[in-house]
Amino acid sequence: DIQMTQSPSSLSASVGDRVTISCRASQSITSHLNWYQQKPGKAPKFLIHAASSLQSGVPSRFSGSGSGTDFTLTISSLQPEDFATYFCHQTYSTPWTFGQGTKVEFK
Amino acid sequence: QVQLQESGPGLVKPSETLSLTCSVSGDSINSLYWSWIRQPPGKGLEYIGYIYYSGSTNYNPSLKSRVTISVDRSKNQFSLELSSVTAADTAVYYCARVNENYSGSQYYYYMDVWGTGTTVTVSS
Repeated sequence: DIQMTQSPSSLSASVGDRVTISCRASQSITSHLNWYQQKPGKAPKFLIHAASSLQSGVPSRFSGSGSGTDFTLTISSLQPEDFATYFCHQTYSTPWTFGQGTKVEFK
Repeated sequence: QVQLQESGPGLVKPSETLSLTCSVSGDSINSLYWSWIRQPPGKGLEYIGYIYYSGSTNYNPSLKSRVTISVDRSKNQFSLELSSVTAADTAVYYCARVNENYSGSQYYYYMDVWGTGTTVTVSS
């Protein structure tokens, strides 16, 4: 199985901050990397596919980059509704696997 | 608007079979892939498996011997069965649509629509 490791596991930030979340795959997954946002008690919400393609309706302050084994999710200016947990997800090979999540908390 | 909704018992006894159904509205199950994912309390997401509209399936090897995913086209639903459950199977279970995008001679897959989730507790 391909292991997905996110860092940090949690971070504290303020509204307006630029936030960067990293995701590393245990082997190359080219660009087969998705990002999701999950709020407490809710289902994950799809944000980005193919490492950098923003889903329709997702604010442009979210962006994704990377290829191979190293990927990044960036929130350019954190908004109150962005406090949540973020997961990366590889669909390069089955079994599809998720990162353990990064919790973005209010500083 | 595509919507998915999980249903099934919230409590299952150890050694029994967990059975859940995902009802799909706003899209036909006769296309794309349809998946199950679970999330144990306070933990991350675990891929269980998917069924392709043709009926072919893919299961996580960690669960493969116990999992069956099937589709009921007449009801536009797909289902999950997990046998011989233990407390370790206690989780929120989600169903999701797996969409695909063809780019640069490759298919990219992503779970773009999720159900709200249903909590299943394994306990006697």
